[in-house]
Amino acid sequence: DAGVTQSPTHLIKTRGQQVTLRCSPKSGHDTVSWYQQALGQGPQFIFQYYEEEERQRGNFPDRFSGHQFPNYSSELNVNALLLGDSALYLCASSPVRAGGPETQYFGPGTRLLVL
Amino acid sequence: GESVGLHLPTLSVQEGDNSIINCAYSNSASDYFIWYKQESGKGPQFIIDIRSNMDKRQGQRVTVLLNKTVKHLSLQIAATQPGDSAVYFCAEKRGTGFQKLVFGTGTRLLVSP
Repeated sequence: DAGVTQSPTHLIKTRGQQVTLRCSPKSGHDTVSWYQQALGQGPQFIFQYYEEEERQRGNFPDRFSGHQFPNYSSELNVNALLLGDSALYLCASSPVRAGGPETQYFGPGTRLLVL
Repeated sequence: GESVGLHLPTLSVQEGDNSIINCAYSNSASDYFIWYKQESGKGPQFIIDIRSNMDKRQGQRVTVLLNKTVKHLSLQIAATQPGDSAVYFCAEKRGTGFQKLVFGTGTRLLVSP
């Protein structure tokens, strides 16, 4: 059973460019969340997708956008990259079930470096 | 405000010792807590979780304790092994329905052989 997968593993961009990161959730999971993890910090919630819609959003500007596809995979897009966007971007998936919270399982992340 | 903090940024133990990693949270409305382990270059790995209607939960070599009175969470690792060396994060679920996890900055656990 494959876990959460992300691509690419590493990426180098320059300021002002745009980037797209990809995530495939764990089998049986239909909810995808994205997090940004700066060096030495804990992950920060960006947004969450369910049924192809953004359901919750953290304190990130509109330069950060996303998409979820019918097969539950997801993309994170960042426009007009800034140096401060350099971070590890993590995707987490979880099933949606009634009755309580479900554990989020993380992928290995995409390391983005903005020069 | 939002804060899930940790008391010790680095914890050094000897192999075989028991380790205790602490975490304070600020939102008394949080109802679900998770401990994650993150090794260098990898994503966070689920260790154990606990709901707010419990005060203790045990897994394999790990125990999580929740004290809602003082908003404190701890992770106990029995017979710590070198493979347990990693950064440990506690996270709390904020919001009803859909999950938003709020993480602290983490504690680095160093296990010496």
